[in-house]
Amino acid sequence: GAGVSQTPSNKVTEKGKYVELRCDPISGHTALYWYRQSLGQGPEFLIYFQGTGAADDSGLPNDRFFAVRPEGSVSTLKIQRTERGDSAVYLCASSPRGDNTGELFFGEGSRLTVL
Amino acid sequence: AQSVTQLGSHVSVSEGALVLLRCNYSSSVPPYLFWYVQYPNQGLQLLLKYTSAATLVKGINGFEAEFKKSETSFHLTKPSAHMSDAAEYFCAVKRMTQKLVFGQGTRLTINP
Repeated sequence: GAGVSQTPSNKVTEKGKYVELRCDPISGHTALYWYRQSLGQGPEFLIYFQGTGAADDSGLPNDRFFAVRPEGSVSTLKIQRTERGDSAVYLCASSPRGDNTGELFFGEGSRLTVL
Repeated sequence: AQSVTQLGSHVSVSEGALVLLRCNYSSSVPPYLFWYVQYPNQGLQLLLKYTSAATLVKGINGFEAEFKKSETSFHLTKPSAHMSDAAEYFCAVKRMTQKLVFGQGTRLTINP
């Protein structure tokens, strides 16, 4: 497809389980972002990749959260030992190379529910 | 640290009435500013952006916003609301770093 694709769209898991969320950015976009949106809140920055490397991971809340982008395209957000407070919509966005104006193209998100 | 404040978590207007959604930012240097819209069950979509060119920025669907440095504001307006404008609206700011910092959002409801 032409847009940012995120899978799964919905994920229900139990407290303590491991979860992976996948993001497939727009073809040719070198920058990739993960945000988290809790109910009634604005998106909260988690991590930003430029190519394969994490250029800014200052938003990851703790060491249970980790993200990779091994080939500079698809990214996976990994959450270990999930907690109920991790329940949120996880948004992925991408932007073109060299675009310093900050316009991001968002996917529809992965809704995570931790029971 | 830069931040964004959206005044009013919920705004309700009648169809055909003026829409005004308020956004104030805190930054010592004029940043890049954005308005994004989120329709139900859809991803965020860019409405418009200010990148230090014209202070009055026109976006999609008849929306516009004016950058006012003296007031550190970037309010979003539309002269005449349409039912299809019902959505969540987010103001965002970007300065030195690549990441966007979003406000809390304003839910816009249009009454027939």
